[in-house]
Amino acid sequence: QKEVEQDPGPLSVPEGAIVSLNCTYSNSAFQYFMWYRQYSRKGPELLMYTYSSGNKEDGRFTAQVDKSSKYISLFIRDSQPSDSATYLCAMRSGNNRLAFGKGNQVVVIP
Amino acid sequence: GAVVSQHPSRVICKSGTSVKIECRSLDFQATTMFWYRQFPKQSLMLMATSNEGSKATYEQGVEKDKFLINHASLTLSTLTVTSAHPEDSSFYICSTNSGGTDTQYFGPGTRLTVL
Repeated sequence: QKEVEQDPGPLSVPEGAIVSLNCTYSNSAFQYFMWYRQYSRKGPELLMYTYSSGNKEDGRFTAQVDKSSKYISLFIRDSQPSDSATYLCAMRSGNNRLAFGKGNQVVVIP
Repeated sequence: GAVVSQHPSRVICKSGTSVKIECRSLDFQATTMFWYRQFPKQSLMLMATSNEGSKATYEQGVEKDKFLINHASLTLSTLTVTSAHPEDSSFYICSTNSGGTDTQYFGPGTRLTVL
């Protein structure tokens, strides 16, 4: 079983819809959870960073962590065409070594 | 967030040649840098962890003699792909922690194409 599982999609939604992305993981030592956005042929850009169970909101983005279920989610409200990108979940334990999901390609259709 | 740059952004080379990729942290000192490789529609795979002033730590399956890493200063790490072959064609990305934080910030990546 891979450390981090993420359905690669792709996911197409109409503009204004809510985008829902999620990852599951198997390593209970993971304490820090991140979501990165990666545009085509660019490096990943940090979107959200959380370290506890619960919700964290930043503008149109909400990150959820459920450590008991080993499940994290990212929601994008009022999606825009500029949100079209690949979204990668990432997580780590006490050291700095990140484990990434495969990435979820999102297309927001105008 | 922290600013990380990479050079070159794209390189095309012939099989058998060596290619050097630079990763610079522009606004802080980075004692540790990470090198990743990403194949099309795949996730990032950590290749090695580069520590300033000491030898890099390579992930299992990554040939240290093929992927030479030098982290000679607190703002620069280099990855040299030696005797490159077409199967080395990939997107190479570096990252580092901004000083005093736990989060990793990534460079823009270098696309290597080996003919």
